[in-house]
Amino acid sequence: QKEVEQNSGPLSVPEGAIASLNCTYSDRGSQSFFWYRQYSGKSPELIMSIYSNGDKEDGRFTAQLNKASQYVSLLIRDSQPSDSATYLCAASNSGYSTLTFGKGTMLLVSP
Amino acid sequence: ETGVTQTPRHLVMGMTNKKSLKCEQHLGHNAMYWYKQSAKKPLELMFVYNFKEQTENNSVPSRFSPECPNSSHLFLHLHTLQPEDSALYLCASSHASGGPQETQYFGPGTRLLVL
Repeated sequence: QKEVEQNSGPLSVPEGAIASLNCTYSDRGSQSFFWYRQYSGKSPELIMSIYSNGDKEDGRFTAQLNKASQYVSLLIRDSQPSDSATYLCAASNSGYSTLTFGKGTMLLVSP
Repeated sequence: ETGVTQTPRHLVMGMTNKKSLKCEQHLGHNAMYWYKQSAKKPLELMFVYNFKEQTENNSVPSRFSPECPNSSHLFLHLHTLQPEDSALYLCASSHASGGPQETQYFGPGTRLLVL
């Protein structure tokens, strides 16, 4: 059974702080990892994808992957109230394979 | 129109009704997906189509019937649903490849309520 685990939160951070969101996965064959942001009542939208060990930065967002530890994280620098949402972590092991999603972590950024 | 669109956005149906959900993608993708999202549960994959061929069916009850007439359109036909089928139904699309999973892009979803 492939599983992706996330702390459901809520994770509360003040505006301007760094938010750190974590995710672990059970399938060692997983190759592709994705972070989606989902606002309440809306559909998921892609934030970052990462395929290789290490860090990948895009603006205020940094994804980190450690395949040995089966661990993925998302850092959000200079958090804004508009970042308040549920963040979904997903993993997949091939192009035709399914994405396995975690339950998501709710992030609350207070002004 | 761009991206992935879904209609209707909201649907209320009785347990004896038959209805269909429609998804259309304008991204040139060749893989399409149906997901179910219930409260406090992870997104659940229901069906996958690659190049119009169904490649995954995650033990979905037969009261859900998918149809993919071409790479741009995907339907989910619903009949004799149960109240526990009330959820947000999301369509997604991606390029299909034999390598690492291509990014999936989601439509806005259909919020379904079964009475």
